[in-house]
Amino acid sequence: DAGVTQSPTHLIKTRGQHVTLRCSPISGHKSVSWYQQVLGQGPQFIFQYYEKEERGRGNFPDRFSARQFPNYSSELNVNALLLGDSALYLCASSLAGGVSYEQYFGPGTRLTVT
Amino acid sequence: AQSVTQPDIHITVSEGASLELRCNYSYGATPYLFWYVQSPGQGLQLLLKYFSGDTLVQGIKGFEAEFKRSQSSFNLRKPSVHWSDAAEYFCAVGDTGNQFYFGTGTSLTVIP
Repeated sequence: DAGVTQSPTHLIKTRGQHVTLRCSPISGHKSVSWYQQVLGQGPQFIFQYYEKEERGRGNFPDRFSARQFPNYSSELNVNALLLGDSALYLCASSLAGGVSYEQYFGPGTRLTVT
Repeated sequence: AQSVTQPDIHITVSEGASLELRCNYSYGATPYLFWYVQSPGQGLQLLLKYFSGDTLVQGIKGFEAEFKRSQSSFNLRKPSVHWSDAAEYFCAVGDTGNQFYFGTGTSLTVIP
């Protein structure tokens, strides 16, 4: 079975631009979570979606938004990019929402903002 | 706010030696606790988790962790380290608000 897939693998954007990152969960998983991992740091929780609804939100500005589609895939959108948004963006899927279900992580999208 | 502290940024151990990675958390209620491993070029993988019950939990790859409420700790242990265990290890806490908090990680080097 395929694991969590994310696209693109790498991305270079300029300050002020907008970016969309995509995630496909493991088949049968209905929840997707997004994390930002800055180099040398642990992942920081951004969002959790379950059944197309936001179920958890971390401490990120409104420039960050996400959505989940009927097929449970998800997009993370970041507007007005800042240099500090450069990071590895991780997507994780789980059977359902909440914190008790095991999360399976994708390989991430490396975003560089210049 | 919840937080997770991993006091050791980097640890070096000899192959075959025992390992303990420290994790302290700040959370008012009984937390959901996790240990993840991240190898270069690989995604994060769950090693073990604790929600309730027996405070000593067994995980994959021969790892175990012990929850100590009095010390707000959830340290990861392995009796004999293998070279393939070299990686970055993260402790994480999940709260009832469906938020997850990761520590800054401990980088493990294994020397032959």
